[in-house]
This record gives sequence, C-alpha cells and structure tokens, in this order.
Amino acid sequence: QVQLVESGGGVVQPGRSLRLSCAAFGFTFNDFGINWVRQAPGKGLEWVALISYDGTDQYYADSVKGRFTISRDNSKNTVDLQMNGLRGDDTAMYFCARGDGSGSGYGIDVWGQGTTVTVSS
Amino acid sequence: QSVVTQPPSASGPPGHRLTISCSGANSNIGTNYVHWYQQLPGTAPKLLISRDNQRPSGVPDRFSASKSGTSASLAISGLRSEDEADYYCSVWDDSLRGTVFGGGTQLTVL
Repeated sequence: QVQLVESGGGVVQPGRSLRLSCAAFGFTFNDFGINWVRQAPGKGLEWVALISYDGTDQYYADSVKGRFTISRDNSKNTVDLQMNGLRGDDTAMYFCARGDGSGSGYGIDVWGQGTTVTVSS
Repeated sequence: QSVVTQPPSASGPPGHRLTISCSGANSNIGTNYVHWYQQLPGTAPKLLISRDNQRPSGVPDRFSASKSGTSASLAISGLRSEDEADYYCSVWDDSLRGTVFGGGTQLTVL
C-alpha cells in the first residue's frame, strides 16, 4: 500500500528551527519526486518545496527560500524538511506529497496525513 | 492573491451539474498539466483528476475536467451530499519554477 507518513511537527518559538521527516512505503521511492505542501489554519494549500527523484534538484516557494531546505535519503526512503528562522506565518499543517513523476512539472498523486507546526512564543 | 484563480465558493442542489473554473497564464496552465484535488473536511487532499483530464482509479466518472488555453475547469455531475468539500487546482509554473495551487473552491450541496 502506497503511504507517506510525516513526523517531527510541534510547537516552536519564532526564530527557532524544526526538522520534519517523511517516510515512504509501498512504492519504488527513488523513481519519484517528493513535495512538501502546507495549509495554514482555515486557509488553502500552499506548495513549499520539491526534491527530484535522485536529490539533485530542489525547488522552493519564494516564501521559504533561504530558510527551508529539502533533502532525501533514498537508502532509507525518507525526505526531510529543515526549517530555520521560523515565523508565525509558517504555522500550518505540513503534508508530504508524492509527485507523479521524477522531478519538476508533475502533479501530486499521493498525500500523507500531515504533521502540525505551530510557531508561537 | 494566488497566481491561479478559482472562485471561492460554488453550490448546487443534489443531482445538479456544476463546474469550477481555474484561470491562469501561459507560464502555467498554458504550458503544463492541470491537476485537481478534493479535500473533505479535516482530511488530507486527494487526487481527483491528473494531467488535465485523467481520472485515477476509484474516482467516480461523475467527475471530469478539461482545459483550453490558460483556463481549466472541473465538472461534477449528479451532485451528492458527499461531494461537499474544498476543491483545488494545481499546476507547475515555468516562471516561478514551482507548483502553484488555486485558492480553492468550497462546494456546498444545497
């Protein structure tokens, strides 16, 4: 069964860091790009970042560029999102989501259940 | 303000046919595939339509989609109460080098 499981969310103070992790199951992990998408409370979906199937290409939304870093370990079937310099507007549910292809230009076909990040003093 | 625009809400009675629009630009909808997602209250989004008009296995054929130029639309026929959800379009944007989501359309079945 194809599945993505996020972990690492929590409450963090402004300016601090947090690292989210996504574990993948049930498919050939190194064939697919992986995205992070977030959703602030009561708001719509916002794409955050994408990493290509082999980790060589990363793409970021302007709102997180320079603060967030996406990485993957194909030997462990995991993708991480390192979030630095967190701000209040980073508060959201963060979804790990599989691209329906190897890199950029593809949609998303599988979503995790999400992990909640709250940035508050 | 999203790069890709959807109406914030839509509604119709049971059995009705309804369409939701998604309007963009040459750098996104005009060049790349559009995808549609359904998000039921309190749950993760689910892929409804991929690559402009492809329905994944398990999605009822009441759901269909099309694209023309820089606009796309999702059609839902035979509206049911369980269709009440938020619907999002998404597309890769070549200028932004990232995926953009529409602002979402909240569907109410009257």
